[in-house]
Amino acid sequence: GNSVTQMEGPVTLSEEAFLTINCTYTATGYPSLFWYVQYPGEGLQLLLKATKADDKGSNKGFEATYRKETTSFHLEKGSVQVSDSAVYFCATQGGSEKLVFGKGTKLTVNP
Amino acid sequence: GAVVSQHPSWVICKSGTSVKIECRSLDFQATTMFWYRQFPKQSLMLMATSNEGSKATYEQGVEKDKFLINHASLTLSTLTVTSAHPEDSSFYICSARLVHNEQFFGPGTRLTVL
Repeated sequence: GNSVTQMEGPVTLSEEAFLTINCTYTATGYPSLFWYVQYPGEGLQLLLKATKADDKGSNKGFEATYRKETTSFHLEKGSVQVSDSAVYFCATQGGSEKLVFGKGTKLTVNP
Repeated sequence: GAVVSQHPSWVICKSGTSVKIECRSLDFQATTMFWYRQFPKQSLMLMATSNEGSKATYEQGVEKDKFLINHASLTLSTLTVTSAHPEDSSFYICSARLVHNEQFFGPGTRLTVL
């Protein structure tokens, strides 16, 4: 079945720093790829997604590009804010429509 | 976006008792609801998929007689942990989906079994 490996945290950055959270996947066929974010005390929210190779998902300054050749979907943001502090989950969804999640990466941004 | 609620947000119970967790889609009708379990510093693991009016489909290794799922309406699904034991202590998260659209997640329920 599908699987996701993402960078282990925690990650601590200063405000305005550049963020990269690595995510690689294994899957049969052509899965859709997602990044979810979980703010403290809240449920998971979809941050961005990509459904085919070379697609770039983007939202709130975050970006991730579906790289089939490297089976990766790394999350990036050019300038993080304190309000970006959260746990980020990479996920894949195959033909069964079940979501398979990575372990999550906790990000803390200090002012 | 769509809102999914869970109740209770946390619960402590004695070993051997049963605990019911509710998952509600507040502003949309969910044809499918999913139940996940999350251990500390671990990923969300899908436990089961439930479609309104039909029996839930459980993932391999999940005991259906221990984790009873009822999806009686398009806005409510319940997960009952029967005869709970300390190893059942975990964070339980539900999500709801309308047809093939995005899954919307609840805030989770922290279960502690003493």
